[in-house]
Amino acid sequence: GAVVSQHPSRVICKSGTSVKIECRSLDFQATTMFWYRQFPKKSLMLMATSNEGSKATYEQGVEKDKFLINHASLTLSTLTVTSAHPEDSSFYICSAISGRSAEQYFGPGTRLTVT
Amino acid sequence: LAKTTQPISMDSYEGQEVNITCSHNNIATNDYITWYQQFPSQGPRFIIQGYKTKVTNEVASLFIPADRKSSTLSLPRVSLSDTAVYYCLVGDEDNQGGKLIFGQGTELSVKP
Repeated sequence: GAVVSQHPSRVICKSGTSVKIECRSLDFQATTMFWYRQFPKKSLMLMATSNEGSKATYEQGVEKDKFLINHASLTLSTLTVTSAHPEDSSFYICSAISGRSAEQYFGPGTRLTVT
Repeated sequence: LAKTTQPISMDSYEGQEVNITCSHNNIATNDYITWYQQFPSQGPRFIIQGYKTKVTNEVASLFIPADRKSSTLSLPRVSLSDTAVYYCLVGDEDNQGGKLIFGQGTELSVKP
């Protein structure tokens, strides 16, 4: 099956710094990628939809200037958490779909801890 | 996007069959029903998808009644490794550009 990777798997940063998370589709070209956030014992919450070569579409309540998304190629999307605060600590998961199928493939997630 | 309702948690023992029911009263004509499995600190994994009647694969079966207002995920002979959260999603991914909206999920605990 299709593989989606995320890097890093875990990151700890200090409050006020920025953190970049990468999402890659390893064996297919992803026309669309999604970013989710998941707090402990909670469900996944969709943050934004990212299409290659265009601006991301953010869900209501998600600050686009705080969560910068770049989808520069068909295999890579990045999420940058700017000026991170402890409340941004969460599990961030990306997913990707190819142009040929609506099936969505999820990455393994990135655990962000802001101290 | 149709809203889904699932039990928050379920307990089972190894070797038993587990059935998790999901209600989706407002399902639209073009909507499919998809189930995902998620282990702690991992991304969700696709289990099964269906539109009507019954679908079976090597992992599970999905039963959908004629009115499609609910669906049941059936896991045969569960093992400890099936302990996870199971999400039922309903939607027409083609029209929604692939957008998935996750509900609360069902936390399945399999005991020895």
